Amino acid sequence: DSGVTQTPKHLITATGQRVTLRCSPRSGDLSVYWYQQSLDQGLQFLIQYYNGEERAKGNILERFSAQQFPDLHSELNLSSLELGDSALYFCASSVFVGENEKLFFGSGTQLSVL
Amino acid sequence: SQELEQSPQSLIVQEGKNLTINCTSSKTLYGLYWYKQKYGEGLIFLMMLQKGGEEKSHEKITAKLDEKKQQSSLHITASQPSHAGIYLCGANTGGFKTIFGAGTRLFVKA
Repeated sequence: DSGVTQTPKHLITATGQRVTLRCSPRSGDLSVYWYQQSLDQGLQFLIQYYNGEERAKGNILERFSAQQFPDLHSELNLSSLELGDSALYFCASSVFVGENEKLFFGSGTQLSVL
Repeated sequence: SQELEQSPQSLIVQEGKNLTINCTSSKTLYGLYWYKQKYGEGLIFLMMLQKGGEEKSHEKITAKLDEKKQQSSLHITASQPSHAGIYLCGANTGGFKTIFGAGTRLFVKA
């Protein structure tokens, strides 16, 4: 158990809908990363937050948004869903080891858009 | 194209055999990570390499970082069915984001 909690584990919805994925980082970790994993694209970095502020942005669509709250939990909002958004969404929290960050991953939310 | 290229994409080995997975970066590496993922599950941290020439081992898995060549290799000795899964390399190439390769799917035949 990594200590990172993601809910829900599975989500089935229809095209055009909006969903919210939730992540609680490990106790004491200030950063949260969001990733999307699909068969054809691999594990793609979406966005990172550190102590409530956006720190880095990756290949995140405009239809997607995220935020980190004062209690450090984070939510990823996906709107106007398309079939291609079906994927496994991971969040991770991190701790610095030297100049690098060791990531601890949650077990993911499997999103199916029908 | 991927900033991190992993090879091979998939690998089938007989139990007991050794194997090597490679990860090459198109950018300067500030840190290189190896993770393992069981199908449909989260990623489990294996090792982090931070300096050129660094080599780390955990049980039967060894990883090395060749900073000059911007690549790392993961070697499994005497593979077992428990080694099956997806191995992903991740890297810090600067800018507060950790990127990942596409993964290598390892199957171990008993």
